[in-house]
Amino acid sequence: GAGVSQSPSNKVTEKGKDVELRCDPISGHTALYWYRQSLGQGLEFLIYFQGNSAPDKSGLPSDRFSAERTGGSVSTLTIQRTQQEDSAVYLCASSPPRPAGTQYFGPGTRLTVL
Amino acid sequence: QKEVEQNSGPLSVPEGAIASLNCTYSDRGSQSFFWYRQYSGKSPELIMFIYSNGDKEDGRFTAQLNKASQYVSLLIRDSQPSDSATYLCAVNGYPGAQKLVFGQGTRLTINP
Repeated sequence: GAGVSQSPSNKVTEKGKDVELRCDPISGHTALYWYRQSLGQGLEFLIYFQGNSAPDKSGLPSDRFSAERTGGSVSTLTIQRTQQEDSAVYLCASSPPRPAGTQYFGPGTRLTVL
Repeated sequence: QKEVEQNSGPLSVPEGAIASLNCTYSDRGSQSFFWYRQYSGKSPELIMFIYSNGDKEDGRFTAQLNKASQYVSLLIRDSQPSDSATYLCAVNGYPGAQKLVFGQGTRLTINP
C-alpha cells in the first residue's frame, strides 16, 4: 500500500519567510511524528500527534515552530520567520495502534534557508 | 531524560562476516526496542522490533535483548555491501507508548 508521503520534497526559502511542510500518513495510522535531521546528525524529535491532539510537543525548538493535524490524517508543520539554522531534512513518520512504536517514515522535506 | 547510546562507528566488517551492532539504554522501565536502517540520503526504515528478553530472528538479522543489562544488539549474518548504512536503535518507555527515543546511530561499512 501507499507509504507516508511528504511535500514538497525540497524547499528553498529566504531567511525571514514562512514555510509549510505537509505530511500524509499511512491510512489507519493513528500516531504521527515530526523529526528534524541535520547533515550527518541523528534524529531530533519535534512533536508527536495521537489523533488530532499533540500529547508531546517538547521538541519544538522555538515558538516559530508549530504543527497541526486535522481529521486524524494530514499534518502540517509551519516554520515562521525562517532562520539559516532551520536548514535540515524534516522527516514525518506514522505508526499504527499496534505494534506500538513501529514508525514508518516518509521521504522527508529538505529545507534550505538562504 | 531517557537516553539511548550507540557507538557512532564507523564499524567496518568484511563481506560475509557477522556484523554486531550494540545499544544501551538508561531507562530500566523501557519495554520495546527497535532497529532502523538509514541509507545515506534516505529516511530510516524499520528492520526489527523486540519486546522480550532473548533473541528474535528475521532472515539474516537477529535482535538480542538483555533487560537486566539494559542492552540490545543487532546481528547481521553473511554481511553484504548493501548492508552498509547507519543503524539506529530506538526505545519506548512503557507498554503501548508510541514515542521513541532514538540513539545517534552506528555507521556500518561492509567491505567487499
